[in-house]
Amino acid sequence: GAVVSQHPSRVICKSGTSVKIECRSLDFQATTMFWYRQFPKKSLMLMATSNEGSKATYEQGVEKDKFLINHASLTLSTLTVTSAHPEDSSFYICSAINSLRNTEAFFGQGTRLTVV
Amino acid sequence: AQSVTQPDIHITVSEGASLELRCNYSYGATPYLFWYVQSPGQGLQLLLKYFSGDTLVQGIKGFEAEFKRSQSSFNLRKPSVHWSDAAEYFCAVVYRGSTLGRLYFGRGTQLTVWP
Repeated sequence: GAVVSQHPSRVICKSGTSVKIECRSLDFQATTMFWYRQFPKKSLMLMATSNEGSKATYEQGVEKDKFLINHASLTLSTLTVTSAHPEDSSFYICSAINSLRNTEAFFGQGTRLTVV
Repeated sequence: AQSVTQPDIHITVSEGASLELRCNYSYGATPYLFWYVQSPGQGLQLLLKYFSGDTLVQGIKGFEAEFKRSQSSFNLRKPSVHWSDAAEYFCAVVYRGSTLGRLYFGRGTQLTVWP
């Protein structure tokens, strides 16, 4: 299957700072990428859908100014958590799909964010 | 309201026993249906998916799932569980007409396997 790489796998940041998480499709062109958030012992919550070269579409209740998403190329999407607070601590997972060719989204390994 | 329900939060089975994980969805039309597995601190791996056609779907690692329209269910089964199957299992849907890959997940079922 296709490979999606997420970086970093773990990050600790101070409250009030911003942190960027990268999601790369290594061996295919991702027309669409998705960002999820997973709370401890909880399900994955879809945060937003990003299409290459256009603005991300956020799910209801997700603060677009808090979670900035950029999908500048067909292989890279970034999620920036701005002015992070402890309640933003979570496991963030991305997925990618070439919807013109695939019927399956491939997931990154996830990023554990801890805000102290 | 549209939803995906996994009624069992935690299931424990003995190695070699059979397994069935339940999933129900609530939606006007049959969505695309998926089962994923997640190991601790890891991303998700697709076990199987249903789009249309044969209602019994075969997946990887010996898993299968059966779509039952009348029950709005897509239960995951395995005839003989291995200790390495211990993980979190998620049922997910993509609603028809939505972007493929735009998944909505159930809350997950934690599987523990006893030796």
